[in-house]
Amino acid sequence: QQPVQSPQAVILREGEDAVINCSSSKALYSVHWYRQKHGEAPVFLMILLKGGEQKGHEKISASFNEKKQQSSLYLTASQLSYSGTYFCGTESGSGNTGKLIFGQGTTLQVKP
Amino acid sequence: DTAVSQTPKYLVTQMGNDKSIKCEQNLGHDTMYWYKQDSKKFLKIMFSYNNKELIINETVPNRFSPKSPDKAHLNLHINSLELGDSAVYFCASSQPSRGQETQYFGPGTRLLVL
Repeated sequence: QQPVQSPQAVILREGEDAVINCSSSKALYSVHWYRQKHGEAPVFLMILLKGGEQKGHEKISASFNEKKQQSSLYLTASQLSYSGTYFCGTESGSGNTGKLIFGQGTTLQVKP
Repeated sequence: DTAVSQTPKYLVTQMGNDKSIKCEQNLGHDTMYWYKQDSKKFLKIMFSYNNKELIINETVPNRFSPKSPDKAHLNLHINSLELGDSAVYFCASSQPSRGQETQYFGPGTRLLVL
C-alpha cells in the first residue's frame, strides 16, 4: 500500500518553513526521505528507523511516529535550492528487504 | 567518481523492439534495484537483487527480465516494447545492514517508445 504524502504541493518564499507529512497504513520499519529535482535522480536526505531517533542536518530534519506510522519532514528557513519534489519511501515489516514503497511526492517551490 | 551509473541516458525506440539498459555501481553494495518512474512521477520498485540473487520481483510483465552478472552490475532487458513502457528507469544500490539501508540512485534512463 502506497504511503500518502501531504500536502501535494507547496509554494514558499525564501526563509519560510515547511512541513511535509508521510502516512502509512502499514507497520513501518523505516522511512526514507528523498528530494528529486526536475530531470535528475532522487537524492537521499535521511532515513528514520523504527526505534531510532529524530534525524536532522543543517535546516532539514525529520521525525518518525511509530505508533501512528507517520513521518514528517521539516524544512526551516527554506532556500531556493530546496525546490524540488520530495518523496518518502517506506519499508514495512521487519525490514532488511530494501523494498521501498514511495509516496506520490510533494512538490516544493521556493521563490525569492 | 560516479557511484551508480546507467547507460544509455536516453533511449528512443519503436514499439515491438527489444532493448537493454545497463547499470553499474562502484560502492561495494550487495543489493541493487530497478525502479520505474512514470510521467506522473510515481516511483515504483520493479526488481531487487542481493549478491546476484533475485529477492524482489514485483508485478512486472515478464517482458522485463533483469540479469545480474555480478554484484556490481544489474541489467534490465525489455522485450516487445509497448507504448506504456515509456518512463524513466532508475537503478539504485544499497547495503542491507541496519543503518546502512540508504539507496543511492543512478541518473536514470529516459525510455521513449514510439
